[in-house]
Amino acid sequence: AQKVTQAQTEISVVEKEDVTLDCVYETRDTTYYLFWYKQPPSGELVFLIRRNSFDEQNEISGRYSWNFQKSTSSFNFTITASQVVDSAVYFCALRSTGTASKLTFGTGTRLQVTL
Amino acid sequence: NAGVTQTPKFRILKIGQSMTLQCAQDMNHNYMYWYRQDPGMGLKLIYYSVGAGITDKGEVPNGYNVSRSTTEDFPLRLELAAPSQTSVYFCASSYQRPIAGANVLTFGAGSRLTVL
Repeated sequence: AQKVTQAQTEISVVEKEDVTLDCVYETRDTTYYLFWYKQPPSGELVFLIRRNSFDEQNEISGRYSWNFQKSTSSFNFTITASQVVDSAVYFCALRSTGTASKLTFGTGTRLQVTL
Repeated sequence: NAGVTQTPKFRILKIGQSMTLQCAQDMNHNYMYWYRQDPGMGLKLIYYSVGAGITDKGEVPNGYNVSRSTTEDFPLRLELAAPSQTSVYFCASSYQRPIAGANVLTFGAGSRLTVL
C-alpha cells in the first residue's frame, strides 16, 4: 500500500521568509514517482514537479527547491523568499509503477503568506 | 487548448436525487480519473479509466458509477445522492505510454457538489 504524509496542516509566514513543506511517503516499490501540486484559492490544481525514484538530485526552479532523500523517504519542498502569491494548499503525491498512474495524495499543507 | 473541462462548476442536490458530472478532455489522453476532495483532506480516487471501454474502481467508488465510451469523455454518475457525497470533484487525465514513467496528470477546475 502507498501512503503520503504531510504532517504540517497549516503554516503561516511573513513575506520574504523561507518555508519548507514536509512530505514523507511509504511504498514497497523500488520504482516510483513523487509529485508536488499547488492549489491556490481559486481551486485548480497546478503541477509543480515530478521526480522519479532513481533521481535523487535536488532541483531548483526559481524560488522553489525540492530535496528528495530516499534514506528518509522524504520529498520536501522549500520556498525561498516567500511571496503573498505563494499562499495556497500544497499537495505531495506518490505513484508507484503498475498502478495505472494512480496518484496517492497527502492531506495537503495550507501555506499562508502575509505582508 | 481547453485541457480538461468539467461541468457543472456548482450543483446543489437533494438527498436521493441523481446527477452526472461531465468531464471532457481534448488532449487525446488515454488515462482519465475522478477524484474527490473533502475539506482538510487530500484527494481520494473514485474511479479511473485506462482507455475507452475500460474502467476500474479507485479507493472510494461506492455510490458512484462511470463509463468511458469515447477517449474524450469520462462522466461520473451519482445515482442516489447522500450528504456524504458533498465534496469537490476533480477530473484528471494523462497520456500514459506502456512501460513508461508516470506522466503528469492534468486536472479540471473542479465541480463543487452539495447534497442537502
